[in-house]
Amino acid sequence: AQTIHQWPVAEIKAVGSPLSLGCTIKGKSSPNLYWYWQATGGTLQQLFYSITVGQVESVVQLNLSASRPKDDQFILSTEKLLLSHSGFYLCAWGQGDTQYFGPGTRLLVL
Amino acid sequence: GDQVEQSPSALSLHEGTGSALRCNFTTTMRAVQWFQQNSRGSLINLFYLASGTKENGRLKSTFNSKESYSTLHIRDAQLEDSGTYFCAAEAGDSNYQLIWGSGTKLIIKP
Repeated sequence: AQTIHQWPVAEIKAVGSPLSLGCTIKGKSSPNLYWYWQATGGTLQQLFYSITVGQVESVVQLNLSASRPKDDQFILSTEKLLLSHSGFYLCAWGQGDTQYFGPGTRLLVL
Repeated sequence: GDQVEQSPSALSLHEGTGSALRCNFTTTMRAVQWFQQNSRGSLINLFYLASGTKENGRLKSTFNSKESYSTLHIRDAQLEDSGTYFCAAEAGDSNYQLIWGSGTKLIIKP
């Protein structure tokens, strides 16, 4: 069975500080991977997707970047956080049709 | 403009009753997915449809690509059905992007 893990579970960070969020998928080779952002009470906004190692496509950047250093790993990062980065970050994997989501990371930027 | 219009934005039902959620699409969509987001933020896959109707327990979903809409019917609502429901559609020109509805916040009352 496939499992998807996100870390950390939650973060409180200062404006201007760096951020790195991680996502790993086990039990699935060469999945498509996705990063989403959700404001509190809002809908999901797709940020990035990757269909293979080393390749990442941007949908909406929001002053964030993403990388896929390994087949089963997807990283979301920024060097300087903004207040507007607060929210819920979700990683998902998919292959062919539907997408399956991780438990998410809650980020509060102060 | 918005390509996915979801309604209603909020809905309150008593246990045992039912209702329908709807997503209208302003552009051609290849497929639609429905998700339930629970209080912890976890997204649960409900349905994936490229056409037609699917049923799972007390839930039934229809996707009519010609008339550009999808519905999610809930019958005999239970307390655990509470949460926010999202539709997400695949546009005809992209295999890797989902366009999300704004969500329906569903509250089930005893």
